[in-house]
Amino acid sequence: QVKLLQSGAALVKPGASVKMSCKASGYTFTDYWVSWVKQSHGKSLEWIGEIYPNSGATNFNEKFKGKATLTVDKSTSTAYMELSRLTSEDSAIYYCTRGYGSYHVMDAWGQGASVTVSS
Amino acid sequence: DVQMTQSPSNLAASPGESVSINCKASKSISKYLAWYQQKPGKANKLLIYSGSTLQSGTPSRFSGSGSGTDFTLTIRNLEPEDFGLYYCQQHNEYPITFGSGTKLEIK
Repeated sequence: QVKLLQSGAALVKPGASVKMSCKASGYTFTDYWVSWVKQSHGKSLEWIGEIYPNSGATNFNEKFKGKATLTVDKSTSTAYMELSRLTSEDSAIYYCTRGYGSYHVMDAWGQGASVTVSS
Repeated sequence: DVQMTQSPSNLAASPGESVSINCKASKSISKYLAWYQQKPGKANKLLIYSGSTLQSGTPSRFSGSGSGTDFTLTIRNLEPEDFGLYYCQQHNEYPITFGSGTKLEIK
């Protein structure tokens, strides 16, 4: 079945960067968009952006341009998101998701990766 | 950006009852509204997309309706496993945006 396995929790210092991973299995990785979604503690969901593994094409929420970098490794069916210049506002759970066809909805979600920014 | 306003924020009901959750878009999104369920320890689940299309595996007690700016998720004959958080999401335009969530609790 479709699975998205995310890397573990991270504790990082303000101003640093963090790179998290999302390993896909159970489907052809290059055929589906991968989106990333942020959920701050006790709050709603924010779409960060998406990447199409086959071409590397990306779309971003303007709010996260310059903050998030999306990449993939097709050889290992793994998507990555790097967050830079971290502040306390970046402390959240981050989900990778699979895009369903051309609908821009997310039919599979990873378990989430917690990022805590603290000195 | 399209703002999604979800109501109510909290909802309490008993198994067997029916409930409705509303989602209002700040401008027309045609039929492109999705619903998700979030539960602790489980992956988020896509329930409905394009307003009323049930995702594979979604029980038929779930239904979605609406178009334009106003949408409703209805759950009939609540089961114990239906309790959790529900989010709407517009998938008509970038950036994709979500509602603020509705917590469905057992009464």
